[in-house]
Amino acid sequence: GENVEQHPSTLSVQEGDSAVIKCTYSDSASNYFPWYKQELGKGPQLIIDIRSNVGEKKDQRIAVTLNKTAKHFSLHITETQPEDSAVYFCAAKGDTGRRALTFGSGTRLQVQP
Amino acid sequence: GAGVSQSPRYKVAKRGQDVALRCDPISGHVSLFWYQQALGQGPEFLTYFQNEAQLDKSGLPSDRFFAERPEGSVSTLKIQRTQKEDSAVYLCASSALAGANVLTFGAGSRLTVL
Repeated sequence: GENVEQHPSTLSVQEGDSAVIKCTYSDSASNYFPWYKQELGKGPQLIIDIRSNVGEKKDQRIAVTLNKTAKHFSLHITETQPEDSAVYFCAAKGDTGRRALTFGSGTRLQVQP
Repeated sequence: GAGVSQSPRYKVAKRGQDVALRCDPISGHVSLFWYQQALGQGPEFLTYFQNEAQLDKSGLPSDRFFAERPEGSVSTLKIQRTQKEDSAVYLCASSALAGANVLTFGAGSRLTVL
């Protein structure tokens, strides 16, 4: 089955700096790659996703890049703000086999004001 | 409803007790997933429903875990004879279409087994 590795496990940046979180996946058939943000005591919330037919997607201060050949994808957050502090999870899914998302182990992002 | 609702938010059980966790998905959503999230870890898949049909239960860790969605809306995850290792947050998510595309998660039910 699918295996998703995520790093770093913790990341501390100064307000205004950029943050990058990286994930690798094992199943070359995976074609959907969402990113979720989880705040304390809440469920994960989808912040951006990308499908395998594009290499990059951007939404305001967040962007995701995908390299299908290398089987890795990354989340980029620019101009970080204290409210970006949370745990971020990457995930992957294909259209065949298991229909559920496989999640990475998470990155705790701390934005220092 | 406006979002995915889970109850109870917190449950403390003595080892050996049975527990039932409820998920009320967004109205009309076809797909419903249950995930288990251990402290400091990512969500781990348990089971998937498409309407009332349980299409995948490969993630259920033992036969003590059972899930149902009899009318294709509300779902219940039942854990029999709870063990300490069952302590985790149980997340429910729903999606408008078949399969896990845009998932909306509930806030979770935190189970602590003493």
